[in-house]
Amino acid sequence: LAKTTQPISMDSYEGQEVNITCSHNNIATNDYITWYQQFPSQGPRFIIQGYKTKVTNEVASLFIPADRKSSTLSLPRVSLSDTAVYYCLVGLSGAGSYQLTFGKGTKLSVIP
Amino acid sequence: GAVVSQHPSWVICKSGTSVKIECRSLDFQATTMFWYRQFPKQSLMLMATSNEGSKATYEQGVEKDKFLINHASLTLSTLTVTSAHPEDSSFYICSARGDRTTLFYEQYFGPGTRLTVT
Repeated sequence: LAKTTQPISMDSYEGQEVNITCSHNNIATNDYITWYQQFPSQGPRFIIQGYKTKVTNEVASLFIPADRKSSTLSLPRVSLSDTAVYYCLVGLSGAGSYQLTFGKGTKLSVIP
Repeated sequence: GAVVSQHPSWVICKSGTSVKIECRSLDFQATTMFWYRQFPKQSLMLMATSNEGSKATYEQGVEKDKFLINHASLTLSTLTVTSAHPEDSSFYICSARGDRTTLFYEQYFGPGTRLTVT
């Protein structure tokens, strides 16, 4: 099955908006897209989840185009505490199989 | 929100021994639990999926006789690493998912267990 693709790392200054995109060409028809934040030696923390179009909660927005082959996590006005690794999680299907797959993660470094 | 705990948070064991890791959903019933392994600076790799009361489904390349998973209740799943070797040293993370009417599409993760095999 094809994998998901995310940028390996990103840098941003405090107060800026950060957008992280995940490509998932083989997303399963009924699967949601979920984003997680992970700090070193901790379990992932749920950020946001969506199926299509745009979803917004108190910490982030998630943009999903109509073809659902990618998704973009948007973090408004990042702070130093947002320095972490961000993962997208989707179910990928193909050739009669299905696999829940984490992206390789994007290491976000927020600079003062 | 939904809380998932793991015990122990870290463990050191000698090569050849077995280690059991517990995963508990504290405030919801987890119909499905997942076990992941994460090596340093790498992503989470799904090892197996378990549904309460049935046998776990292992991902390709994961030895089911080495990584024994038991999901005997809706709030508890255990992972036993049998005859552990140094290459099994890793960060093991569980997650839990509720039923369709509540938390079906969301996985809530435990804090992880750091296993070091000497």
